[in-house]
Amino acid sequence: AQSVAQPEDQVNVAEGNPLTVKCTYSVSGNPYLFWYVQYPNRGLQFLLKYITGDNLVKGSYGFEAEFNKSQTSFHLKKPSALVSDSALYFCAVRDMTGGFKTIFGAGTRLFVKA
Amino acid sequence: EPEVTQTPSHQVTQMGQEVILRCVPISNHLYFYWYRQILGQKVEFLVSFYNNEISEKSEIFDDQFSVERPDGSNFTLKIRSTKLEDSAMYFCASIGGAGTGELFFGEGSRLTVL
Repeated sequence: AQSVAQPEDQVNVAEGNPLTVKCTYSVSGNPYLFWYVQYPNRGLQFLLKYITGDNLVKGSYGFEAEFNKSQTSFHLKKPSALVSDSALYFCAVRDMTGGFKTIFGAGTRLFVKA
Repeated sequence: EPEVTQTPSHQVTQMGQEVILRCVPISNHLYFYWYRQILGQKVEFLVSFYNNEISEKSEIFDDQFSVERPDGSNFTLKIRSTKLEDSAMYFCASIGGAGTGELFFGEGSRLTVL
């Protein structure tokens, strides 16, 4: 079965510093991986995805993620954090059987301090 | 930009009452989903729907739940007899033709069962 794990409930970073939000995955077959962000009382918004190709994927709002097959990881990164990046971040994997459901990790709350 | 719309944004109901949550997915999308999020925590898959039938459902989606797409645009989630533990945020989402596309989420319907 497909699954993702986000080992950190919360990440704290100072504005202007680089940030990393960790994600590891477990899949059978090729991984189709996603990152989403959720602001308070809002739906989830797509940030970026890895389907195939270059291991470094660039997405919205200056975020990027590095796919690492040997470590089964897909960490989200940003070179310089903004206070407005504070939100709940979800890593997710697509199950390519049946109805293509997306399975989400538990989420990591990012706090960026001014 | 196309969007998924959900109504109502908030519904309060008494335990045992029936609730219908409505969604209008993006018009050319083919796969439709309902997810549940309790208290801003994990996003849980409920059901996937394709070609006018359920393609997959989770163990949460028991006989009290049903979905339908009655008119080719609206996509509804019905809870037949609500329980206290059904209180949650319910999100509708959809993806386009390819199984590798990103999920587009609505803003959610908050259900409070008293």
